[in-house]
Amino acid sequence: EAQVTQNPRYLITVTGKKLTVTCSQNMNHEYMSWYRQDPGLGLRQIYYSMNVEVTDKGDVPEGYKVSRKEKRNFPLILESPSPNQTSLYFCASSLQGTYQPQHFGDGTRLSIL
Amino acid sequence: DAKTTQPPSMDCAEGRAANLPCNHSTISGNEYVYWYRQIHSQGPQYIIHGLKNNETNEMASLIITEDRKSSTLILPHATLRDTAVYYCIVRVNNAGNMLTFGGGTRLMVKP
Repeated sequence: EAQVTQNPRYLITVTGKKLTVTCSQNMNHEYMSWYRQDPGLGLRQIYYSMNVEVTDKGDVPEGYKVSRKEKRNFPLILESPSPNQTSLYFCASSLQGTYQPQHFGDGTRLSIL
Repeated sequence: DAKTTQPPSMDCAEGRAANLPCNHSTISGNEYVYWYRQIHSQGPQYIIHGLKNNETNEMASLIITEDRKSSTLILPHATLRDTAVYYCIVRVNNAGNMLTFGGGTRLMVKP
């Protein structure tokens, strides 16, 4: 089954403790992206990747890192999480860029205390 | 990318057609109209997209006015499971960069 898989689905952690949210897709998609969703602010793009070893900043990249060493994986790294990064996070992928249908994961709900 | 305007909320009776409008008066000639929806807090789901011709797929129909300044997403027979936030996005159809979601329309399908 074609899917985008995020882990963990839920995480409660403390300020400053490094964490990684993994994202994996099994559709051989070139484009992958991370979004965060906050009440009243909607979905905002954090980072995206056009292909392996190619990443670019989205609207709200501060405090986040990403890497794209393999086509199928696009982890989101919070080196020193802070409470303002408490949010619902979504990973998405598409064959080539955002002009093609995006496939989204089920989301990761992060709480930073 | 052109800005879009959608009503914040709409109601629809189950079994009836749901018509969701979107205004994009500043759209340019090479910008496509995309629709996604998000059911509760699940990941958004792609519905349909088009440039200037009307489009139909198994989920919905997309009607774009001749001047392309507005469009309507039609769910022909709405069910309770169609209750969701529907996002209209306008962007240039090229490979890459960002996708910007606006506020969307919260559609409530009622029995």
